[in-house]
Amino acid sequence: QVQLQQWGAGLLKPSETLSLTCAVYGGSFSGYYWSWIRQPPGKGLEWIGEISHSGSTNYNPSLKSRVTISVDTSKNQFSLKLSSVTAADTAVYYCARRNYYDSSGYVEEFGFDYWGQGTLVSVSS
Amino acid sequence: DIQMTQSPSSVSASVGDTVTITCRASQGINSWIAWYQQKPGKAPKLLIYAASSLQSGVPSRFSGSGSGTDFTLTISSLQPEDFATYYCQQSNSFPPLFTFGPGTKVDIK
Repeated sequence: QVQLQQWGAGLLKPSETLSLTCAVYGGSFSGYYWSWIRQPPGKGLEWIGEISHSGSTNYNPSLKSRVTISVDTSKNQFSLKLSSVTAADTAVYYCARRNYYDSSGYVEEFGFDYWGQGTLVSVSS
Repeated sequence: DIQMTQSPSSVSASVGDTVTITCRASQGINSWIAWYQQKPGKAPKLLIYAASSLQSGVPSRFSGSGSGTDFTLTISSLQPEDFATYYCQQSNSFPPLFTFGPGTKVDIK
């Protein structure tokens, strides 16, 4: 049974750096992309970015200049850093596993099938 | 960027009803759409992937269809535990840029 457990600071001041970590228990860490997705209070879902076990990353262009996602394969963990936060970054942040299959460049997508419990990050002075 | 729209934004229904939610992509996305259910205070749960494939463990009253730009999620014989918000999500961008629809809230009539 795959479980994602996340943690990190929940209250930040403007201009600080958000830092969250997600640990993966059970299942394989390789062969998937590991994503961060956020949800402002009462609003919809926004994909932030992802990383593979080998460290390959993809980011949402709207956040790319402020986002760094890293991986620690020795611990089956991946992390999110979002710099220069403002009140607009207040949201519940989720980690999630993207399930896919890549056959010589043809990619089949099987959705975000496992999610962390979510961490509310509030930005306030 | 591929934009996703959903309709209706909310629907009131009774236990036993059939509910249909529509999602439209701003450009063709083949069949690369997934559907999620989210209950208050909880993470989204994957229901359907690749437009019509049922995720393991999801009841068969959930079904998906469509291709190209227009997709539907159908919940047959609505159960009390189905009252929630439903999101569609596309996975057809390269480089990857996954986008979600704005959500459809299904509540009790």
